[in-house]
Amino acid sequence: AQSVAQPEDQVNVAEGNPLTVKCTYSVSGNPYLFWYVQYPNRGLQFLLKYITGDNLVKGSYGFEAEFNKSQTSFHLKKPSALVSDSALYFCAVRDDTGRRALTFGSGTRLQVQP
Amino acid sequence: NAGVMQNPRHLVRRRGQEARLRCSPMKGHSHVYWYRQLPEEGLKFMVYLQKENIIDESGMPKERFSAEFPKEGPSILRIQQVVRGDSAAYFCASSPLTSGSTNEQFFGPGTRLTVL
Repeated sequence: AQSVAQPEDQVNVAEGNPLTVKCTYSVSGNPYLFWYVQYPNRGLQFLLKYITGDNLVKGSYGFEAEFNKSQTSFHLKKPSALVSDSALYFCAVRDDTGRRALTFGSGTRLQVQP
Repeated sequence: NAGVMQNPRHLVRRRGQEARLRCSPMKGHSHVYWYRQLPEEGLKFMVYLQKENIIDESGMPKERFSAEFPKEGPSILRIQQVVRGDSAAYFCASSPLTSGSTNEQFFGPGTRLTVL
């Protein structure tokens, strides 16, 4: 069985400061990892994914994530937060067996203060 | 290129009624997925379909829930005899047909079902 843990329900950061949203995972085989963002009353928007290759993945809106196999982590980062980044962030995982269902974490609410 | 379309956006039903949720995938996408999001929780996988085929329904409740993706028209998630515990946001996602399985899924805006 696969699982995702997002240990922080909420992350608060001041505008202009770097942000990190944490994610750890458990999966049999090789992981495919994804980050999505959800704004109020909206669907999920894809930010970035790790499939293979470089451990540092760059995505939309200046976000990036670092895959760490030994720590089974895939933390989301941004060098300089914007107020408009305030939203709910979900980490998701899928294994490489061909089963396409995504397993999501419980989400982390990011609050960027002006 | 329009995104994933879902309707209705909001649906109110009384206990015992039927709910029908529709999803039109992005143009060129032939894989559809349904997820359910309870308040303050992450999304839970329900079912994965291709045209006229259910590929993975491991997340579907055994009773009252069914899904289809006909050759023509949208995918339908059907909930019979709704109960209050069915109140949730139901999201549809789609992905293109490719030889691999690494594509991200693109999500619709969701249908928020409220059961009175």
